[in-house]
Amino acid sequence: KAGVTQTPRYLIKTRGQQVTLSCSPISGHRSVSWYQQTPGQGLQFLFEYFSETQRNKGNFPGRFSGRQFSNSRSEMNVSTLELGDSALYLCASSLVSGGAGDTQYFGPGTRLTVL
Amino acid sequence: AQKVTQAQTEISVVEKEDVTLDCVYETRDTTYYLFWYKQPPSGELVFLIRRNSFDEQNEISGRYSWNFQKSTSSFNFTITASQVVDSAVYFCALSDLTTSGTYKYIFGTGTRLKVLA
Repeated sequence: KAGVTQTPRYLIKTRGQQVTLSCSPISGHRSVSWYQQTPGQGLQFLFEYFSETQRNKGNFPGRFSGRQFSNSRSEMNVSTLELGDSALYLCASSLVSGGAGDTQYFGPGTRLTVL
Repeated sequence: AQKVTQAQTEISVVEKEDVTLDCVYETRDTTYYLFWYKQPPSGELVFLIRRNSFDEQNEISGRYSWNFQKSTSSFNFTITASQVVDSAVYFCALSDLTTSGTYKYIFGTGTRLKVLA
C-alpha cells in the first residue's frame, strides 16, 4: 500500500502571499490531520478532517484553513503568509480518527520557507 | 489537563549502549492511547507503537521495548544495543477525550537521540 504523500515537498514564498499544500492519505483512510512543526513550538495540531468535514481544530488563526475532498485527499491553505509560518507541515492519515486513538501515519512533510 | 512530557531534550550514547527515553503523560480519561514515533533527519514521522490504557503489558520488538506503567503515568521506550541508525528525534503522543468532548492527539516535545560510532 502506498503511504501518505504530500506535495510539494519544498516551498519558498514571500510574506503576504498565500500557499496551498496537498495531502493524499493511505488508500482506505478517511481521516486526515495536519500539524505544524517548528523548532520552537514542536508539533502543533492544526486540524482534522473526516468525510469532508472538519472534526477538530487547533489554536491557529483563521489564516490557516483546510478542506477535504470526497476521495479523502486534503488541502490546507495559509493566506497572508508571515515569517513565523516557516515550518515543516506534516499530514497524517488514519482509518477513522487519529484523535480517537487510531494510529496516524505521517507523510514526508512540506517544508515551507517564508522570506 | 492533557499533557505529554519528555523531559530529556537530547541524549548521546555510544553505539551498543542501551538507552531509555522517558515519557510521562497526564489525562483525566480512563480510556486513552499512547504512541511512540521516530523522526529521522528526513523529517517523516515513523510509527513505532500504539498502546491503549487497558493494556499494561510491556512489549518487545527486536531491540525496542516499551514499559507502560499507569501507576506512574509513564510510557518509557528502551533501545537495546543502540546503533547509529537509531539516531533520530523520538516523540511520545497521547490521544484521549478532552473536556470539550473532542478527541485530541498531542505530542511531547521530543527527545533527540544521538548514537555515536
